[in-house]
Amino acid sequence: EIVMTQSPATLSVSPGERATLSCRASQNVFSNLAWYQQRPGQAPRLLIYAASTRATDVPARFSGSGSGTEFTLSISSLQSEDFAVYYCQQYSSWPPEFSFGPGAKVEIK
Amino acid sequence: QVQLQESGPGLVKPSEILTLTCTVSGGPISGSYWSWIRQSPVEGLEWIGYINYSGSANYNPSLKSRFTLSVDTSKNQFSLKVNSVTAADTAVYYCARSARTAMGPYYYYYMDVWGKGTTVTVSS
Repeated sequence: EIVMTQSPATLSVSPGERATLSCRASQNVFSNLAWYQQRPGQAPRLLIYAASTRATDVPARFSGSGSGTEFTLSISSLQSEDFAVYYCQQYSSWPPEFSFGPGAKVEIK
Repeated sequence: QVQLQESGPGLVKPSEILTLTCTVSGGPISGSYWSWIRQSPVEGLEWIGYINYSGSANYNPSLKSRFTLSVDTSKNQFSLKVNSVTAADTAVYYCARSARTAMGPYYYYYMDVWGKGTTVTVSS
């Protein structure tokens, strides 16, 4: 089983500032890494897949990078709607398995 | 666009069977894989398994074999059955489309469409 970890668990940022979140995989997942945003009371929303490709309608202020075991999600200038919890997710083909990180909360400073 | 809607009981007694259904609208169930994910304060987001239109399924190897996925293409639905539920199965259950994108020689997998989720409580 591939275990995902995220840091920091909580990030306090002022609106307009940059936020950087990290995700680490216990094994090489190549670029099979996605990022999701979850607002309170809502389902997760896909932001990034293939480590760095923005999903449809995702603003350009969101960017993803990394490969192998180390990944980063950056939000260049935080808007009010960006304060949420962010999850990374990996996919491994054998055995076929998705797994999620524990989440990282971005809160208003 | 494709939309997903979970349905099922909100309350189940311990040791009973839980069955949840996800209805796919706005597109066919064929051509994609469809996942169930649950979320609890203890476990966070936990992928349960996925299934395609022909009934081929894969399950989270970390979970015990109490989970069964099935598909009904005539109704554009797929379902999750959980046997012998316990309090640890209390969670919000989501269905999602497991999309696959080819980029060069590689495939990438992710959940691009989610249902709103349904809360399941296991309690006597």
